[in-house]
Amino acid sequence: GAGVSQTPSNKVTEKGKYVELRCDPISGHTALYWYRQSLGQGPEFLIYFQGTGAADDSGLPNDRFFAVRPEGSVSTLKIQRTERGDSAVYLCASSSGWNTEAFFGQGTRLTVV
Amino acid sequence: AQSVSQHNHHVILSEAASLELGCNYSYGGTVNLFWYVQYPGQHLQLLLKYFSGDPLVKGIKGFEAEFIKSKFSFNLRKPSVQWSDTAEYFCAVSGNNRLAFGKGNQVVVIP
Repeated sequence: GAGVSQTPSNKVTEKGKYVELRCDPISGHTALYWYRQSLGQGPEFLIYFQGTGAADDSGLPNDRFFAVRPEGSVSTLKIQRTERGDSAVYLCASSSGWNTEAFFGQGTRLTVV
Repeated sequence: AQSVSQHNHHVILSEAASLELGCNYSYGGTVNLFWYVQYPGQHLQLLLKYFSGDPLVKGIKGFEAEFIKSKFSFNLRKPSVQWSDTAEYFCAVSGNNRLAFGKGNQVVVIP
């Protein structure tokens, strides 16, 4: 596609439920990033993929968060046993390399009630 | 790990006024610096970037930024803002496999 696509755009879930957030990067981009943005804050790094592998997952806050990119294109961020504190906008970005311009999607606004 | 500081989180100014947003970073390695903008209801998009060369970089919509290595700064400027510049502006520095962002500046331009 023309840009980074994220689905759903909004997700409301109950505390304790499992959610999956999807990211379709720009075709051909090997690098993919997930960020989380809370109100009044800048985007906070979660995980970086180079191809299919997670090159750096040091930003994941705890083991309830997991992300995959099995074919080196689409990525899914998975959150288990959601908590109210997980409420935020989850951003995905892709680039042609780790040190080049990153293109961001519109984000998924996750609300845990 | 790298970090970015942005000051004056909320800025309100009138059309035609000049804008300057401060950005200071800390990172021990070679830096690549970025300013991203997020217009209301839209996604983050690149305003300008510095990788190397001329420390004064020009971006879209009349914005420019100056990299001052000795001050670890990358301030954003626009001589005359327009109402359409109302947005949130983020400074970012790349390193360690990631972009590190500042908290952002919410800029409101009053017609």
